Amino acid sequence: GQQLNQSPQSMFIQEGEDVSMNCTSSSIFNTWLWYKQDPGEGPVLLIALYKAGELTSNGRLTAQFGITRKDSFLNISASIPSDVGIYFCAGLNYGGSQGNLIFGKGTKLSVKP
Amino acid sequence: NAGVTQTPKFRVLKTGQSMTLLCAQDMNHEYMYWYRQDPGMGLRLIHYSVGEGTTAKGEVPDGYNVSRLKKQNFLLGLESAAPSQTSVYFCASSYSAGSTYGYTFGSGTRLTVV
Repeated sequence: GQQLNQSPQSMFIQEGEDVSMNCTSSSIFNTWLWYKQDPGEGPVLLIALYKAGELTSNGRLTAQFGITRKDSFLNISASIPSDVGIYFCAGLNYGGSQGNLIFGKGTKLSVKP
Repeated sequence: NAGVTQTPKFRVLKTGQSMTLLCAQDMNHEYMYWYRQDPGMGLRLIHYSVGEGTTAKGEVPDGYNVSRLKKQNFLLGLESAAPSQTSVYFCASSYSAGSTYGYTFGSGTRLTVV
């Protein structure tokens, strides 16, 4: 089946640093989504990308949909302690009745004040 | 505006016991999903439903059953719990298969099977 490779698995950074994480796949996706999961909560959608090459920002977060449609990255600028959590990429293909999101295994972000 | 509500939040079961997890959404979404989350494994789809009265298997369906008798509710059942089913379970819903807003998740049910 389709799989997403998300890296890095974990990151330990100092407050104020920039963060970059990415997802790659052997399959093409129509949509890339980035979620954040706070401890003890469900994932919450951060950014959605719908077109190859698209670059979208949400505050300090910037994400891009790779031109090949097989990858995406998420950048966080000037990290703050509340950025702590697990970040998941997810790929979605339309068509069929399933519309299943394929999730990466997550990047766990720790921020030292 | 509750979104997706999961009950219970925590549960401990003995091996062989049964239980039902309830998911309720108030967004009139057609699609609903059950995922399990295990350390280092990300989120894996157990079962999903594309509308009232329909269900289908996901990636890891064995040992689970589901029902969608009402559009707003999606139930996940464990008939005979096993320690391998210790996990955090998330319910999600979406308006359509290719929903512009992705999926909305509940806050999870932490299940421990001893």
